Parts: sequence; structure tokens; C-alpha cells
Amino acid sequence: EVQLVESGGGLVKPGGSLRLSCAASGFTFSSYAINWVRQAPGKGLEWLSSITSSSTYIYYADSVRGRFTISRDNAKNAVYLQMNSLRAEDTGVYYCARDLEFSFDGMDVWGQGTTVTVSS
Amino acid sequence: QSVLTQPPSASGTPGQRVIISCSGSRSNIGSNYVYWYQQLPGTAPKLLIYRNNQRPSGVPDRFSGSKSGTSASLAISGLRSEDEADYYCVASDDSLNGRVFGGGTKVTVL
Repeated sequence: EVQLVESGGGLVKPGGSLRLSCAASGFTFSSYAINWVRQAPGKGLEWLSSITSSSTYIYYADSVRGRFTISRDNAKNAVYLQMNSLRAEDTGVYYCARDLEFSFDGMDVWGQGTTVTVSS
Repeated sequence: QSVLTQPPSASGTPGQRVIISCSGSRSNIGSNYVYWYQQLPGTAPKLLIYRNNQRPSGVPDRFSGSKSGTSASLAISGLRSEDEADYYCVASDDSLNGRVFGGGTKVTVL
């Protein structure tokens, strides 16, 4: 079964750090670009970052550039999101999602999400 | 404020046709493919339409997408109760060098 599973969410204080993981299975992970998308409580979806299959190209939304870092380990079939200098507005559900064929193509496989809460 | 503009809500009775609009600019919709996602309550989003008007396998042909200039639309024909969900349009943006979402449209089946 093609699957993405996020982990690493939790409660963190403002200014703190958290590292999210996205574990892939059921497909040739090293052939696909992966994204992180979040959803604040009661709000819409927001794209955060993308990393191409070989990590050649990395993209960030302005809202997280300089604070978040995306990376991947194709040997472990995993993508990570290192989140630093967290703010209350970073609270939400974080999803990882696979691009269909090329970067910024449709995201056809999504994880179930992991919840991040930034609060003192 | 989202880069892509969608109406916050839309509604219809069972069997009706509902159309959701998505307005952007030359740097996003005007230059790139548009994608649509459906998000049922409490679940992860699901790809509904890709590359303006293509349906992934398993998506009913009641759902169709179109694009013209800097706008796009999603049509739901033969509306069903299980279509009650939030719908999002997405495109890449050449100026932002990233992906932008619309604010989402909540579809209610009356």
C-alpha cells in the first residue's frame, strides 16, 4: 500500500524547535518530490515547502523561509521538517504529500497529519 | 489573504450542479496548471483534479475542472450528500517560486 506517515508533532513553547518526520512506504520513494502542507485550526491549507527527489531543488513559502528546513534521506525513505523559532501561528496539523510526477504537480498521496501546538 | 481567491461557500440541493470559481493572476493560474483538492471533515485532502481538467482514477466524472486565462473553476454535477466538504484550488506561482492555495470553499448539500 502506498503510504505516508507523519510523526514528531507535539506541544512546544514559542521560540522552541521541533522536527517532523514523514515515512514513506509502498512506492519508489527516491523518484518523487515531497511537500509539507499545514492547516491551522479552522483555517485553510497552506503549502510550506517542497524537496525534489534527489534534494537538488528545495522551495519554501515566505512564512517559513529561514526558520524551517526540509531534508530527505532516500536510504531511509523519509523526509524531515526541522522547525525552529516556532510561533503561535505555526500551530496546526502538518501533512506531508507526494507530487504526482514533477515538482508542483498534483499531490496525490497524503499522510494523516501530525499536530503541532505552539503555546506557553 | 490567499493568493488565489475562492468564494467561502457554495450550496445546492441533491442532483444540482455547483460551480466553484478560483481567481488568480498571470504569475500563477495564468502560467501554470490548476489543481483541486477535496477535504472531508477531519480527513487529509484528496486530489480531485490535476493539470486543469484531469481526474485521478477513482474520482467520479461528476467532478470536472476548467481554466481560462487567470481563472479556473470546479464543477460538481449531480450533487450528492457525500460531496459536502471543503474544496481548494492550487497552482504554482512563478513570482513566489512556490505553490499557492485558494482560501477554500465549503460546499453544503441542502
